[in-house]
Amino acid sequence: NAGVTQTPKFRILKIGQSMTLQCAQDMNHNYMYWYRQDPGMGLKLIYYSVGAGITDKGEVPNGYNVSRSTTEDFPLRLELAAPSQTSVYFCASSYRGRSSSYEQYFGPGTRLTVT
Amino acid sequence: AQSVAQPEDQVNVAEGNPLTVKCTYSVSGNPYLFWYVQYPNRGLQFLLKYITGDNLVKGSYGFEAEFNKSQTSFHLKKPSALVSDSALYFCAVRDGNTDKLIFGTGTRLQVFP
Repeated sequence: NAGVTQTPKFRILKIGQSMTLQCAQDMNHNYMYWYRQDPGMGLKLIYYSVGAGITDKGEVPNGYNVSRSTTEDFPLRLELAAPSQTSVYFCASSYRGRSSSYEQYFGPGTRLTVT
Repeated sequence: AQSVAQPEDQVNVAEGNPLTVKCTYSVSGNPYLFWYVQYPNRGLQFLLKYITGDNLVKGSYGFEAEFNKSQTSFHLKKPSALVSDSALYFCAVRDGNTDKLIFGTGTRLQVFP
């Protein structure tokens, strides 16, 4: 199993540009999450999904969009990038069901700089 | 609202000495508690969790954590620290209403040779 994969690893954007951060998991997990990590701030939840076709906002959704057309993929879209979106972005997944273990599995992250 | 606090930004310990990384929580209902570790330029790795059962939970890499309901704490411990344990450690609690994880701000562990 590759687990949770993210692309790209690094990206520099100019203000106002847009991009999509890719996330995929091969563990057949139904729940997927996007977090951002800012220094000294821990992780903040941006969006999450409880299954294909279902997404919902987390703590800090402004400036982002997501879609979940398949169980495996959960891309995060940044429209009109702003310097405040400079951060490290992590995708995670978990299984919720009869034998839920509740822990989340994380990808390696995407380091985004907006200048 | 559910929350976790990690009161120490950094913990320094000599190799071979025991280490403790502190975490306290606030949650309504039964707490589901987690510890994650993050090595430089890597994602978070799950270390251990408490959901129910014994208050002393054993996890990966020789780490363990003690759940203390009266003190609402879930401190991470290791009897003998290694230099390779140096990393950023996050405590998290599951929000039972939304099923999301709420993370602390992290504690940097530095183990000196």
